[in-house]
Parts: sequence; structure tokens; C-alpha cells
Amino acid sequence: KAGVTQTPRYLIKTRGQQVTLSCSPISGHRSVSWYQQTPGQGLQFLFEYFSETQRNKGNFPGRFSGRQFSNSRSEMNVSTLELGDSALYLCASSLAGSTGELFFGEGSRLTVL
Amino acid sequence: QKEVEQNSGPLSVPEGAIASLNCTYSDRVSQSFFWYRQYSGKSPELIMSIYSNGDKEDGRFTAQLNKASQYVSLLIRDSQPSDSATYLCAVDTSGTYKYIFGTGTRLKVLA
Repeated sequence: KAGVTQTPRYLIKTRGQQVTLSCSPISGHRSVSWYQQTPGQGLQFLFEYFSETQRNKGNFPGRFSGRQFSNSRSEMNVSTLELGDSALYLCASSLAGSTGELFFGEGSRLTVL
Repeated sequence: QKEVEQNSGPLSVPEGAIASLNCTYSDRVSQSFFWYRQYSGKSPELIMSIYSNGDKEDGRFTAQLNKASQYVSLLIRDSQPSDSATYLCAVDTSGTYKYIFGTGTRLKVLA
């Protein structure tokens, strides 16, 4: 059974640019969550999607957005990049998204110069 | 006060010893608790989940939950150098589809 796939794995952007990250969940999983991981803050919740609906959003500015498609694949977008957006962005899938286990992808490491 | 707190470590234990990792949480209505292991440069992987008070054992790992004290712990028996990693405590804020993670405890098992 294939795991959670995230693309791209690494990317470098400059301030002011935007970036789109993609996540394909485990087959059959309908919930996709996104987390930002930095050395100082740990894993911070960005948002969660289930059946194309955003069910919760973390405390991030509006520059961070996401969506989920009918095949459960998800994308997140960060506009007007800032240096502080440099982080590992992790996608996790689960069957239903509540009280269930999260399965993480390998992450997309974003560096903003 | 952070919602999920862990000692950042590093916690150093000799090979074969018991490693004890602790986590406290602030939301009393939390229902589900998880321990994830993250090797350097890798993504977190689930090693234990616990939902009710008491102990839950799985091989060398034992998770302990005390909801009255808002405390969850992970014991690793017969620690091996391969157990050296960062251990993340995660709490499901019930009904919000959102997991809160601690910042992790770095464990070093010395051969």
C-alpha cells in the first residue's frame, strides 16, 4: 500500500514569490492535514480537509491556503513568501481525521531566500 | 502555557536501560493521545496511541495515561541505539479535527 506522497521534496524560493505544495494521501484516506515544522516551534497545525471541505484552520495568516480535490489529493499554497516561512511542510492523511492515526508524508522542505 | 508540553532533552540513557518520556496537556476534554517517533531528517511515524486511563503495552513500548493529572508518558524498555530519535507527544482536541503536538523530547541511547 503506497504511503503519503508529497511533492516537491525540496524547493527554494525568494521573498515575495508564491509556492504550491501537493499531497496525495494513502488510498482510501479522506482526511488530509497540513503541518508546518520548524526547529523552534515544532509541528504547527495549518488546516485539515475532509471530502473537499476545510474543517479546521490553524493560527496562520491568510497567505496560507489550501484545498482538497474530489480524489482526496490536497494542495497548499503560500503567497507573498517571507523568510520566516522557511520550514518543513508535512502532510498527513487519516481515514476520518478525528481520533485516528495520522500517517505523514516525507514533507516538502521550503527555503525562502 | 503551551497546550502540550514536553521536556526538550536531550534525554540520555545507556543501552538496555528504560527511557521515560513525559508529556502534559492543558485541554481537559482531550480524548486521544499519540506518541510519534521522528528520526533526524525523516517524518514522524506513529508508535503508540492511547485512549483510556492506564497502561497500554506494545512490545518494548508502554504508554501511560492519567487524565486526572493531564499526563501521558512513554516508557521504552531495553533501549537500543536505534531508538535514538525525537519523540513527539500529540493530543487530539476532540471534535476539532486538529492534533496538537509537543515540541518533542530528543532521546539518545548510548551504546
